[in-house]
Amino acid sequence: KAGVTQTPRYLIKTRGQQVTLSCSPISGHRSVSWYQQTPGQGLQFLFEYFSETQRNKGNFPGRFSGRQFSNSRSEMNVSTLELGDSALYLCASSLRPSTGSYNSPLHFGNGTRLTVT
Amino acid sequence: DAKTTQPPSMDCAEGRAANLPCNHSTISGNEYVYWYRQIHSQGPQYIIHGLKNNETNEMASLIITEDRKSSTLILPHATLRDTAVYYCIVRVPGGGSARQLTFGSGTQLTVLP
Repeated sequence: KAGVTQTPRYLIKTRGQQVTLSCSPISGHRSVSWYQQTPGQGLQFLFEYFSETQRNKGNFPGRFSGRQFSNSRSEMNVSTLELGDSALYLCASSLRPSTGSYNSPLHFGNGTRLTVT
Repeated sequence: DAKTTQPPSMDCAEGRAANLPCNHSTISGNEYVYWYRQIHSQGPQYIIHGLKNNETNEMASLIITEDRKSSTLILPHATLRDTAVYYCIVRVPGGGSARQLTFGSGTQLTVLP
């Protein structure tokens, strides 16, 4: 079974630009979560989607947005990029959403390394 | 989510068992223990999880103490490819709120040839 696929693998953008990152979950997984990982802050939750609906959102500004399509693929968008947005952006999929008593683990992709100059 | 404490680094000889400890003394009754690892430049990889019974899968074994205040991840025959940062997380599945999976500093396991 193919794992979580994230594209592109690397991206270089300049301040003020916007960027769209893509995530294809494991087949059958309907929940997709996005995380930002930096050396200083570690792993931080961005948002989670299940059945095309945003279920949860972390503490990031409105410049960070996402969506999920009917085939469970997800995209996240960052507008008006800032230098501090340079990070590894990780997507994770799971069978079940975060709410409820499910204990299905998260399966991560290898991330998109975004560098903002 | 309960806080976890892990040693910052460990070494293990190739072919030997790697035993990675995790303290979670404030764990509550409905919190699971999850283990992930992250190899440099890759995304975190799920390893195993459990509630109170010992668990084993093709990758590792998880031993949880009877009082659930600590656990040990065991890689039975470590290989060079097991060199990674290992994260122990305790949390309520779902928890009814944001899936704010938080990784601490983890343990850097280095498998030596």
